[in-house]
Amino acid sequence: TQLLEQSPQFLSIQEGENLTVYCNSSSVFSSLQWYRQEPGEGPVLLVTVVTGGEVKKLKRLTFQFGDARKDSSLHITAAQPGDTGLYLCAGNQGAQKLVFGQGTRLTINP
Amino acid sequence: NAGVTQTPKFQVLKTGQSMTLQCAQDMNHEYMSWYRQDPGMGLRLIHYSVGAGITDQGEVPNGYNVSRSTTEDFPLRLLSAAPSQTSVYFCASSYGQGANEKLFFGSGTQLSVL
Repeated sequence: TQLLEQSPQFLSIQEGENLTVYCNSSSVFSSLQWYRQEPGEGPVLLVTVVTGGEVKKLKRLTFQFGDARKDSSLHITAAQPGDTGLYLCAGNQGAQKLVFGQGTRLTINP
Repeated sequence: NAGVTQTPKFQVLKTGQSMTLQCAQDMNHEYMSWYRQDPGMGLRLIHYSVGAGITDQGEVPNGYNVSRSTTEDFPLRLLSAAPSQTSVYFCASSYGQGANEKLFFGSGTQLSVL
């Protein structure tokens, strides 16, 4: 059973376009994290959101935690080819135990 | 800064063989964990440890053993490899709680079981 559902699973867009990736669950998490993974490497943490309704920005990336702490979104403005990668959301179940979404494979075409 | 080091990078096994995936961290983190990554499944937690001498099962522990005799090392043992264990395995170490929590992943071991 997948506790975290990410959508879309694949996304291919042109450079300069905006996009949003969603991470949804029926479970409440104490915190939620977003990772980015390059081929042949492990995931790298981008951000952790903790409070319901919290918004965090990382340059052109905006992360939001739902009010009920069950869902999250990642919005990228003016996507660049360097944003290409696998984006993973992960909910914290306590004691450093994370449950991951399936991932969104993003391709930004020049 | 080595961070989290996993060996080997690639491994091919025959069904029924056993092997140990090594994981070492030099950041003095209390928490360590093992995940497997399969296409369309994200990462799934196999086993984790909250400190030396303490281990516990994650979501998919069957067929795997772990031990944590030191803070630095957290090896994952496959007792009798099966084709279903073909996957990419990631070890992670972490510290902090809540907003300060941060996981560091190794670069993974790609395992094929024939």
